[in-house]
Amino acid sequence: NAGVTQTPKFRVLKTGQSMTLLCAQDMNHEYMYWYRQDPGMGLRLIHYSVGEGTTAKGEVPDGYNVSRLKKQNFLLGLESAAPSQTSVYFCASSYSEEQYFGPGTRLTVT
Amino acid sequence: GENVEQHPSTLSVQEGDSAVIKCTYSDSASNYFPWYKQELGKRPQLIIDIRSNVGEKKDQRIAVTLNKTAKHFSLHITETQPEDSAVYFCAAMSSSNYKLTFGKGTLLTVNP
Repeated sequence: NAGVTQTPKFRVLKTGQSMTLLCAQDMNHEYMYWYRQDPGMGLRLIHYSVGEGTTAKGEVPDGYNVSRLKKQNFLLGLESAAPSQTSVYFCASSYSEEQYFGPGTRLTVT
Repeated sequence: GENVEQHPSTLSVQEGDSAVIKCTYSDSASNYFPWYKQELGKRPQLIIDIRSNVGEKKDQRIAVTLNKTAKHFSLHITETQPEDSAVYFCAAMSSSNYKLTFGKGTLLTVNP
């Protein structure tokens, strides 16, 4: 039982490049979330999903897209990376209130 | 939407002392309040949570109190140890949408 996993762990992008972050969970959770964490800002919700095939915007959705084609996977895409997207990205999943976090992806955009 | 304020942003205590972190929230519909501990370079880990139908919850050296009328909740750590040093986040959620709103965090340092 791996819980919540994220791929990749680290990535460096140049401005304008695109990439996809993968979140996978093996707990059969309906709810999945993408957060970004910046120094002094806490965790801010980017997008979330309440079930397979559904997505919704969170607090800071601009510049990101998501997809939930399979219940166990939640993908976060950056179509044209900007330096302001340099951050640590955490995925989480839940059955109800308690959220379980993945190990994070450290993304640097130069 | 929900807004969560957390204070203080940094807290330094001597080993064995108590530490208190306070949070306020704005949405009266919020009914679930978790606290997460995050060590450097690690993921946030849930340490305790409280639901709106109780006023206090305790787990060994950690306790959380909730005042729904005043819309604030607090984390209390007693007999602090160096391994309690970390960033602590409070959060609030309405069970109608299962979205968590986090405070900005408190860096707790426990000095030996």
